[in-house]
Amino acid sequence: NAGVTQTPKFRILKIGQSMTLQCTQDMNHNYMYWYRQDPGMGLKLIYYSVGAGITDKGEVPNGYNVSRSTTEDFPLRLELAAPSQTSVYFCASRWTSGNSPSYEQYFGPGTRLTVT
Amino acid sequence: GENVEQHPSTLSVQEGDSAVIKCTYSDSASNYFPWYKQELGKRPQLIIDIRSNVGEKKDQRIAVTLNKTAKHFSLHITETQPEDSAVYFCAATRSSNTGKLIFGQGTTLQVKP
Repeated sequence: NAGVTQTPKFRILKIGQSMTLQCTQDMNHNYMYWYRQDPGMGLKLIYYSVGAGITDKGEVPNGYNVSRSTTEDFPLRLELAAPSQTSVYFCASRWTSGNSPSYEQYFGPGTRLTVT
Repeated sequence: GENVEQHPSTLSVQEGDSAVIKCTYSDSASNYFPWYKQELGKRPQLIIDIRSNVGEKKDQRIAVTLNKTAKHFSLHITETQPEDSAVYFCAATRSSNTGKLIFGQGTTLQVKP
């Protein structure tokens, strides 16, 4: 299993450009999350999904969009990039079910984004 | 909503000493508290977690304690080693809210040989 993979590893965007950060997991996890980590800070939740076709906002959703058309993929879209979106973006996933809930999240390697 | 405060922001210890990092949370309904270790340029990795029905949990040199009344939990690392040097994050969530983790600000631990 590759676990959670993210592409690209690094990206530099100009103000106003758009891009999609890719996230894929091969563990058949039902829940997926996007976090951003600003320098010297903890992670903040952007969006999350509890299954294919279902997404919802986290703490800091403004300027981002997501979709979840398959169990494996959870892309994050940045429209009209701004310098405030310079950050490291982590995707995470977890499996849980009603009978045996699990809370451990598995993180991808991250995408380092700079907007100038 | 939930808020998690973590202290100290930096911690320097001599190899072999113990290190303690503390977190407080605001939502009394939170019932799952993980600790993540993040090495420079790497992804966060879970090192230990605790649920609210347990007061303490140990895994070799690492332990976590939880005080539900005071709404705080702590990470204890004994016999520290240079490879323990990293940033440590605490987090909290409640089982009813789809596992959304609220993270503390992080503690940079430096273990000096």
